Amino acid sequence: QQQVKQSPQSLIVQKGGISIINCAYENTAFDYFPWYQQFPGKGPALLIAIRPDVSEKKEGRFTISFNKSAKQFSLHIMDSQPGDSATYFCAAKKTDKLIFGTGTRLQVFP
Amino acid sequence: DARVTQTPRHKVTEMGQEVTMRCQPILGHNTVFWYRQTMMQGLELLAYFRNRAPLDDSGMPKDRFSAEMPDATLATLKIQPSEPRDSAVYFCASGLGWQPQHFGDGTRLSIL
Repeated sequence: QQQVKQSPQSLIVQKGGISIINCAYENTAFDYFPWYQQFPGKGPALLIAIRPDVSEKKEGRFTISFNKSAKQFSLHIMDSQPGDSATYFCAAKKTDKLIFGTGTRLQVFP
Repeated sequence: DARVTQTPRHKVTEMGQEVTMRCQPILGHNTVFWYRQTMMQGLELLAYFRNRAPLDDSGMPKDRFSAEMPDATLATLKIQPSEPRDSAVYFCASGLGWQPQHFGDGTRLSIL
């Protein structure tokens, strides 16, 4: 049973554009929602995270929007750059466990 | 900059052989996680420890996989005997309390 659904599977964006990745979860017991960025040959690295009592969190060009009633959250990358090209995973945490989405491969072209 | 260190980075071996993967968590982190990443299944939690005690290994095939923490600076994941379907990237991550998990760069395992 997939508890965190992520879309799209892949995304192509022009440099300077906005990249948007969406996730939906089912279990209301999740209490922490991080996004991880993974480059080829590397482990996932924490990008930004949010708790369910906050509707939005912004760090530089990266913003998480969180809709608790809809059980959805999304990552927005403003002014996307070629260096942002990577795979992005949303996740949801319950107690110690992270449940990951299936990942979105982002390609940003100059 | 503190990092989770995993060895080896790559391992190629034949079916039936024992495989041991090692992880050095970030100093001071008390929770250690083992994940497996494949194209088909994505990132799956295999097992995790807190203060060296196993808390959950429900994601791990019990018949061939085993995970241990001999001391606070070393976690191991063993597969015996290995099978081609075990081919994947295995990640170790560590954390402390509410702090987010930090991942190592993984062991890429190929079983021929």
